[in-house]
Amino acid sequence: EIVMTQSPATLSVSPGEGATLSCRASQSVSSNLAWYQHKPGQAPRLLIYAASTRATGIPARFSGSGSGTEFTLTISSLQSEDFAVYYCLQYFNWPPWTFGQGTKVEIK
Amino acid sequence: EVQLVESGGGLVKPGGSLRLSCAASGFTFNTYNMNWVRQAPGKGLEWVSSISSSSYYKYYADSVKGRFTISRDNARKSLYLQMDSLRAEDTAVYYCVGGYLIDFDYWGQGALVTVSS
Repeated sequence: EIVMTQSPATLSVSPGEGATLSCRASQSVSSNLAWYQHKPGQAPRLLIYAASTRATGIPARFSGSGSGTEFTLTISSLQSEDFAVYYCLQYFNWPPWTFGQGTKVEIK
Repeated sequence: EVQLVESGGGLVKPGGSLRLSCAASGFTFNTYNMNWVRQAPGKGLEWVSSISSSSYYKYYADSVKGRFTISRDNARKSLYLQMDSLRAEDTAVYYCVGGYLIDFDYWGQGALVTVSS
C-alpha cells in the first residue's frame, strides 16, 4: 500500500497571500496524483489531476507540480472561498487508492 | 450537469446492516467505474470500495472486506453499498464517487451512517 503524507497539517494564511501545500508518496506514483478541496458539509471538489492538470472550471490561481514521490499544490493568492481542507490522492497503484491525511488552510 | 445523490444513511446498532444507494444523472453511468469513499468524524478521506462499469471487477478496503458488498444497476443508473456486521468504527459520511478522468472526478454530498447502541 502506498502511504501519502501531507504537510503541514494546518496552514494559516492571510487573504491575498499565497499558499504551498505538500504531498509525499511512500513510493513513486509517477504523475498519477490528484488534489481535492473539501469544505464542511459539501462534496469534495477535484482541483488537479495528473499532478498538474487543472480540472474543468478550476481557477488559474490553483496549480500543481511534481512527479514520482514529491508533489505540491500552490494557491497563488488566497480568496475567501479557498479556505478549506485539501487532500491528495494517488491512483497509480491500486487497490487501495490512498489519500493523504489533509491540510487545513485557515484564515490567519 | 453530473449529479450523484446518496440515500439510505441513518442510525444502526453494532452488528446491524444498512444499504446505501446512489442515484446518478447527467452522464453515461454505464461507462463509469464507481466508488465509495468515507470520512469518519474528525478524520480524513478513506477509500472503501470500487466497481467497474460492467460490475466485472470489485475491490474492497481491508477494513470492510467480507462485510460490505458493492453493486450497481446500470439500467437504473444506481450504485449500492450493502453494509453488514457494522461496527462503531464504520461511523462516517459515505460519498458516492465516479468519473471518467481518474474515476474519482465527481462526488455526491454524502450520506451519514452512525453505528451506535
